[in-house]
Amino acid sequence: DAGITQSPRHKVTETGTPVTLRCHQTENHRYMYWYRQDPGHGLRLIHYSYGVKDTDKGEVSDGYSVSRSKTEDFLLTLESATSSQTSVYFCAISVKASEGNEQFFGPGTRLTVL
Amino acid sequence: AQSVTQLDSQVPVFEEAPVELRCNYSSSVSVYLFWYVQYPNQGLQLLLKYLSGSTLVKGINGFEAEFNKSQTSFHLRKPSVHISDTAEYFCAVSVGDYKLSFGAGTTVTVRA
Repeated sequence: DAGITQSPRHKVTETGTPVTLRCHQTENHRYMYWYRQDPGHGLRLIHYSYGVKDTDKGEVSDGYSVSRSKTEDFLLTLESATSSQTSVYFCAISVKASEGNEQFFGPGTRLTVL
Repeated sequence: AQSVTQLDSQVPVFEEAPVELRCNYSSSVSVYLFWYVQYPNQGLQLLLKYLSGSTLVKGINGFEAEFNKSQTSFHLRKPSVHISDTAEYFCAVSVGDYKLSFGAGTTVTVRA
């Protein structure tokens, strides 16, 4: 358990509404990530952060924004949700290993956009 | 950019039989390689990793993987599976830039 929590764990919303997912870590790790998981695609990186207020895009960032005002929290926002954003969203943190680094994942948020 | 191909999307296997999950990657630079497991309705858990050194890597729950640089592969094996190994398995690669690229996943279903 890397001390990662996600909220909410489940959410159903309607097309066009804004949605914010929260990732919280307790161990002050510098790197945090948001992925989405879809059948046949594995996990795809949406955005990541390498420090407070330092973020960058991943491979599927369109339609998503992020913010990190505190080390422990990384927020993912869907400004206007679409049905194609129905997915399971995972937050992750990166931990420095003896060589390279390892990522640890939160429990996930299942989002359904109707 | 690196990419990962998991060659089998579904692998059915009988209990106590061996299993091999195939993973190939493409990268022009040295890589770190990982296998993650996802049990139903759970998050991802690290099974094992290759960073450097011995090409045979042992992980949790009796799994092992072999890094083959010439074939750009990192296949996962277990000599005898249990019902509890039913899960989805993901291969991932990193070039040390703090980002992971994942394969599409392999679903392993263990039958009695």
